[in-house]
Amino acid sequence: AQKVTQAQTEISVVEKEDVTLDCVYETRDTTYYLFWYKQPPSGELVFLIRRNSFDEQNEISGRYSWNFQKSTSSFNFTITASQVVDSAVYFCALSEARNQGGKLIFGQGTELSVKP
Amino acid sequence: DTGVSQDPRHKITKRGQNVTFRCDPISEHNRLYWYRQTLGQGPEFLTYFQNEAQLEKSRLLSDRFSAERPKGSFSTLEIQRTEQGDSAMYLCASSFEGMGGNTIYFGEGSWLTVV
Repeated sequence: AQKVTQAQTEISVVEKEDVTLDCVYETRDTTYYLFWYKQPPSGELVFLIRRNSFDEQNEISGRYSWNFQKSTSSFNFTITASQVVDSAVYFCALSEARNQGGKLIFGQGTELSVKP
Repeated sequence: DTGVSQDPRHKITKRGQNVTFRCDPISEHNRLYWYRQTLGQGPEFLTYFQNEAQLEKSRLLSDRFSAERPKGSFSTLEIQRTEQGDSAMYLCASSFEGMGGNTIYFGEGSWLTVV
């Protein structure tokens, strides 16, 4: 069975602090894809990153970085020097190749609050 | 704007009425998805199309729900005889199927309130 767990329901930090959002997944597929999305109060899900299961290289994009570790089935997301505009709900999601990548399984989300 | 667009953004309806949501995907995308999200939860998959073919439907999609994508472009999601439990945000998304998986882009969602 496929499952995504985001154990942190809410995180509150002060601006300029670094923060890591955890994501643990379960799948029996050997080929799968992992995603992170940001959902600001407006409601739109904003795509941040997609990773496939064969690419364990960590990625950095500006203040964002992602740490993918197959050994622990984790795909954690770090924001460096957080800003108030980073306040949102962040979702980790999984899709499996056997579903032709057609269905995303989402975690319950982590609500990040960055205070000035 | 070349993103996924949804209409209406907000809908309030009385229980028992029918509602229809429309989704226009990103123009070159051949896949279109519908998800539902309730407060405090992650989105849940409802159904998806590849071109005009509906390839998968979730068990969440009861007989009162029907989705179409008649020409492989825009899609509609209709809910008949709405119930209060249908109150949620309905998200549409699209992607282009290709080698190495596909990136799924979401619209801003359509909020439904059933009173």
